[in-house]
Amino acid sequence: DAGVTQSPTHLIKTRGQHVTLRCSPISGHKSVSWYQQVLGQGPQFIFQYYEKEERGRGNFPDRFSARQFPNYSSELNVNALLLGDSALYLCASSLAAGHDYGYTFGSGTRLTVV
Amino acid sequence: RKEVEQDPGPFNVPEGATVAFNCTYSNSASQSFFWYRQDCRKEPKLLMSVYSSGNEDGRFTAQLNRASQYISLLIRDSKLSDSATYLCVVKNNAGNMLTFGGGTRLMVKP
Repeated sequence: DAGVTQSPTHLIKTRGQHVTLRCSPISGHKSVSWYQQVLGQGPQFIFQYYEKEERGRGNFPDRFSARQFPNYSSELNVNALLLGDSALYLCASSLAAGHDYGYTFGSGTRLTVV
Repeated sequence: RKEVEQDPGPFNVPEGATVAFNCTYSNSASQSFFWYRQDCRKEPKLLMSVYSSGNEDGRFTAQLNRASQYISLLIRDSKLSDSATYLCVVKNNAGNMLTFGGGTRLMVKP
């Protein structure tokens, strides 16, 4: 069984550009969460989606948006990129939302903004 | 004050040593607690959940003190392969968000 798959693995963008990151959860998992990890820090929560609805949003500007598709895959979009958006973007998959469900992380997309 | 705080280290220990990491969290209503391990340039992986009664998994023991809002991880008989960053993680009340500490780096030397 495939784990959490993210694409692309690496990406270089210029300031002001837009980027779309993709995530496919583990088969059967209906919840996807997105995290940003800046070098030297722990991951920070961006969004959680469950059954195609947003179930949580972290403290990120409106330049960050996401959606979940009927097959439970997800996209994270970032507009008007800033140098500070350079980070590892992690997708986490869980069976459902709530306390009883563990998270499995994908290997991430490393975004560099120049 | 950060929601989850950890000593960043690094902790440099010889093989076979016992090492302990601590973590404090600010939200007293938090219900779920975890330790994740992250290797350099890799994704975090769940090491173990943390329960109030304390729990053990082989060489690893986790403890939770709700009164002090304090979580610990003890690693006995350290191996070279234990070298990694250990992340203390708290799940919020709604169960939809993980809050990570900044991580504690462990380096086990021969």
